[in-house]
Formats: sequence, structure tokens, C-alpha cells
Amino acid sequence: EVQVVESGGGLVKPGGSLRLSCVASGFSFSSYTMNWVRQAPGKGLEWVSSISRSSDFIYYADSVRGRFTISRDNAKNSLYLQMSSLRAEDTAVYYCATKGVTAAPNCFDSWGQGTLVTVS
Amino acid sequence: DIQLTQSPSFLSASVGDRVTITCRASQGLSNYLAWYQQKPGKAPNLLIYAASTLQSGVPSRFSGSESGTEFTLTISSLQPEDFATYYCQQLNSYPLTFGGGTKVEIK
Repeated sequence: EVQVVESGGGLVKPGGSLRLSCVASGFSFSSYTMNWVRQAPGKGLEWVSSISRSSDFIYYADSVRGRFTISRDNAKNSLYLQMSSLRAEDTAVYYCATKGVTAAPNCFDSWGQGTLVTVS
Repeated sequence: DIQLTQSPSFLSASVGDRVTITCRASQGLSNYLAWYQQKPGKAPNLLIYAASTLQSGVPSRFSGSESGTEFTLTISSLQPEDFATYYCQQLNSYPLTFGGGTKVEIK
């Protein structure tokens, strides 16, 4: 069974930093693009960042570029999101999602339960 | 950037109703459009990918279609467990984007 589990969320002051982690199991982690999506309280979904299987291609939303860094460690089946210069508007549940593991490549087919980041 | 305009943003319907949600893209997507269902306090769940392909395990009352840059999610007969918020997402090009969501509530 494909599973991704996020951790690392918490309360941080504006301007602070936080590192989120996502541990994957049940599939060949090194073969798939991985992604972060966030959802502010009471709001819709917002794509944050994606990283290709070998970290060759990395993409960010404009809202986080220059402040967030996505990375992965294929040996540890782990995805990371280093967040710095945090702002109140970064407050959200952050989800880790797989891309195309159980379905075609162009969809987010497995999601974690999310980890809450509160900037206040 | 590709914009997705989802409508309606809110929908009130009864069990057994046929429900249609629309997602309009600002440019062509080459059918790289997915639909998700999200229930309160839960992660989104993939329903449909490639505009019209049903994800494994998703009930057949859900269907998707495409006409140019307009995409439609249809629930043929709304069930109690279908009351949720639905999102479309384009994966044609970065930055990836989501529609604003459609909340389906009980009438």
C-alpha cells in the first residue's frame, strides 16, 4: 500500500524557519516526482513545490520561491520542505503528495494526512 | 500561468440528484486535468485523471469529460457520502494550479 506521512509542523514566529519531512513507503520512491501542496484554514488547495525523481527538475510557486527549498533523499525514501522567512500567510496544512504512482503520471494520486504550520 | 475557473463555488443538492461541476482553463491542457474530492479534516482524494479516467476504486457514478478548455465532473446520482468539496487541478505546465473548489452541501 502506498503511504506518505508528513511531520515537522508546528508554531513558529514570523521570520522563523521550519523543516517539514515526508516519509514514503509501499512504492519505489526514487522513481517518482514528489510534491507539496498546502491549504490555509478555510481556503482552497495551493500547489507549493515539486521535485523530480533525481532532483534534476525543481519547481516552486511564486508565493514561496526564494524562501522555501524542496529536497529529497531517495536512500531514506524521504521528501523535505525547508521553509524560511515565514509569514503569517504561510499558515496552512501542508500535504505531501505522490505523482502518478497508482495512476497516470499527471495527477496527485496519494496524499499524506498533512501537517499544520502556524506562523504567529 | 494557467488559470482554472471552477463553478459553481457552492451547490446545494439532494440525494439522488445529478450534479455537474465545471472547470474552465485559460488555455489548452492536453487533457492533463484531474479532479479531487475533499472531506472536512481529510486530505484530498483523487477521483479522475486525464480529464475522464476514473481512478481505481472510485464509484462509477463519478465521470469526467472535456470539451476544449472546459472540463466537467458529473455525479450521476448523489449519495450521502458525496457531500464534500471538489477541486480541479491542471498538470499541463508549471506552476500547477487548482480551481477554487466547489462545496456540495445537502439541500
